[in-house]
Amino acid sequence: DAGITQSPRHKVTETGTPVTLRCHQTENHRYMYWYRQDPGHGLRLIHYSYGVKDTDKGEVSDGYSVSRSKTEDFLLTLESATSSQTSVYFCAISESTPGGGKCEQYFGPGTRLTVT
Amino acid sequence: AQTVTQSQPEMSVQEAETVTLSCTYDTSENNYYLFWYKQPPSRQMILVIRQEAYKQQNATENRFSVNFQKAAKSFSLKISDSQLGDTAMYFCAFMKQQGGSEKLVFGKGTKLTVNP
Repeated sequence: DAGITQSPRHKVTETGTPVTLRCHQTENHRYMYWYRQDPGHGLRLIHYSYGVKDTDKGEVSDGYSVSRSKTEDFLLTLESATSSQTSVYFCAISESTPGGGKCEQYFGPGTRLTVT
Repeated sequence: AQTVTQSQPEMSVQEAETVTLSCTYDTSENNYYLFWYKQPPSRQMILVIRQEAYKQQNATENRFSVNFQKAAKSFSLKISDSQLGDTAMYFCAFMKQQGGSEKLVFGKGTKLTVNP
């Protein structure tokens, strides 16, 4: 199994509070991703990173920001949590781009976030 | 934009039998990857199998195989000798093949139950 951990694994927070989720990898992979999973939607990309301090938006990035100061850590921040951000959040990593061949994404165990 | 459709929200199969999960996708790209991921009740996303669009030969991984029909934009997963541990959500996913990191586009999933 790829060495990916997420913290916390579960969190309940109140509307309007800031929340930061952490993804940590021990694989030294360049690419990291944040997805959210909601019933009826599958997984949708929030943000991704293609290197330290290099990030870009996915399809559902509104209300989220990310940071990557080290290869091994990718942080997802909800600046002011809303009930619509109640979801399961997955981090994923990959070694290379599709052109590089090793483009499979491997996922962390997920974080269940509830915003009340 | 690419879309992935899984038309079977739920399926069931008897242990030891064979089951096929359907997936269709829409893209104007010629080069891409297709994946099947398994999500058991533990919530962990597990890569099952991958297919490169330029390869005519269908991918196989032990009891799992795909039927890739590029012209029809179809990518079905066949599970042979079904086991109780195959009970899970199965997600089909698409990735473009080009320079730079790329996102996975997921279908909404098929819930498979293997009955004893």
